[in-house]
Amino acid sequence: AQKVTQAQTEISVVEKEDVTLDCVYETRDTTYYLFWYKQPPSGELVFLIRRNSFDEQNEISGRYSWNFQKSTSSFNFTITASQVVDSAVYFCALSEATSYDKVIFGPGTSLSVIP
Amino acid sequence: KAGVTQTPRYLIKTRGQQVTLSCSPISGHRSVSWYQQTPGQGLQFLFEYFSETQRNKGNFPGRFSGRQFSNSRSEMNVSTLELGDSALYLCASSLGGTRNTGELFFGEGSRLTVL
Repeated sequence: AQKVTQAQTEISVVEKEDVTLDCVYETRDTTYYLFWYKQPPSGELVFLIRRNSFDEQNEISGRYSWNFQKSTSSFNFTITASQVVDSAVYFCALSEATSYDKVIFGPGTSLSVIP
Repeated sequence: KAGVTQTPRYLIKTRGQQVTLSCSPISGHRSVSWYQQTPGQGLQFLFEYFSETQRNKGNFPGRFSGRQFSNSRSEMNVSTLELGDSALYLCASSLGGTRNTGELFFGEGSRLTVL
């Protein structure tokens, strides 16, 4: 069965600090997708990144970077030089090849960036 | 292009009543998923429809049901409402089918309060 764990419930950082959000997943499939979504205070979930199980290359997009390690079943998300606008709940998610449209979300990590 | 539209945005019901929520996906998207979001349980997958067929289902009681129409619009219904059904119900659409990337586009949600 697919499962996503985000051990950090809440994180507070001071603006300009770097912060890493942890994600650990469980799946029996060898083919799957991993995602990160952001839910700002306004409420609407926004897609950030998708990574398939065959691509373990780390990715950087501006201040955001993702570290995918199959050996530890982790897909961690780092925000560099955090800003107040980064304050949101961040969700890690997983879908399996057998049912790509069934996306299972982790419990989320609430990030507060303090000015 | 227009995003995912959910109606109504807010509603208040009493225990025992039933409720129907509506979701219009992004034009061209054929898959619609429903999620329940609560502070305690996070984002929980309800079900997913593609081409009017329910393909995936989460672990919710039979009081929760849904359907999809030929234009891809979807409705979900909760019968015999309980206090614990109070939640934000989110609809997400995706391309589905062979063009699917797994990326979900979310609506703003329907906030249901059961008194």
